[in-house]
Amino acid sequence: GESVGLHLPTLSVQEGDNSIINCAYSNSASDYFIWYKQESGKGPQFIIDIRSNMDKRQGQRVTVLLNKTVKHLSLQIAATQPGDSAVYFCAEADTGANSKLTFGKGITLSVRP
Amino acid sequence: NAGVTQTPKFRILKIGQSMTLQCTQDMNHNYMYWYRQDPGMGLKLIYYSVGAGITDKGEVPNGYNVSRSTTEDFPLRLELAAPSQTSVYFCASSSTGDMMSQHFGDGTRLSIL
Repeated sequence: GESVGLHLPTLSVQEGDNSIINCAYSNSASDYFIWYKQESGKGPQFIIDIRSNMDKRQGQRVTVLLNKTVKHLSLQIAATQPGDSAVYFCAEADTGANSKLTFGKGITLSVRP
Repeated sequence: NAGVTQTPKFRILKIGQSMTLQCTQDMNHNYMYWYRQDPGMGLKLIYYSVGAGITDKGEVPNGYNVSRSTTEDFPLRLELAAPSQTSVYFCASSSTGDMMSQHFGDGTRLSIL
């Protein structure tokens, strides 16, 4: 079946460095993607989204890149801060079908002081 | 605004017991969702509702029931708890058809022993 997954379970970065979190998706019909941040004991929080008619979208300190050719999504966090430590996961949807989100497994980002 | 509120935060059940996980939102959102999050796995949709009086099955509905008598409340019922239902349950809500605006509660951690 279709799935959304992440390449690495954990990522450790030095405070101030840039972080890159990757996500592979397998449903070629997916046309909408979201990155979520989940802090311990909390529900997921929306970070940024991108539609398939775009390759790149920027927010505050975050950038999402979409490569439809290889079905790859990445989240870049600039100048990573201790408050960025959390689990990050991607989600995809085929808005032309049922518009339901399929979530990836998540990757833990740990920021070293 | 409180957003999405889930109760209880933690619960331990014995096999065969029943319980209701409560979810209420004060944003007047039409769409509400129930997900479960198992360790190392992505969120799985259990049930969802597009408005009061309307509910539909998600990806993993077996063993659960829901009702939506008001816009604000979307309780999730476990009739005969099984160990496989040990998980963290998240409720979410969104304005009509807008996945980006899904607001999540902080979750209910449920253990079935």
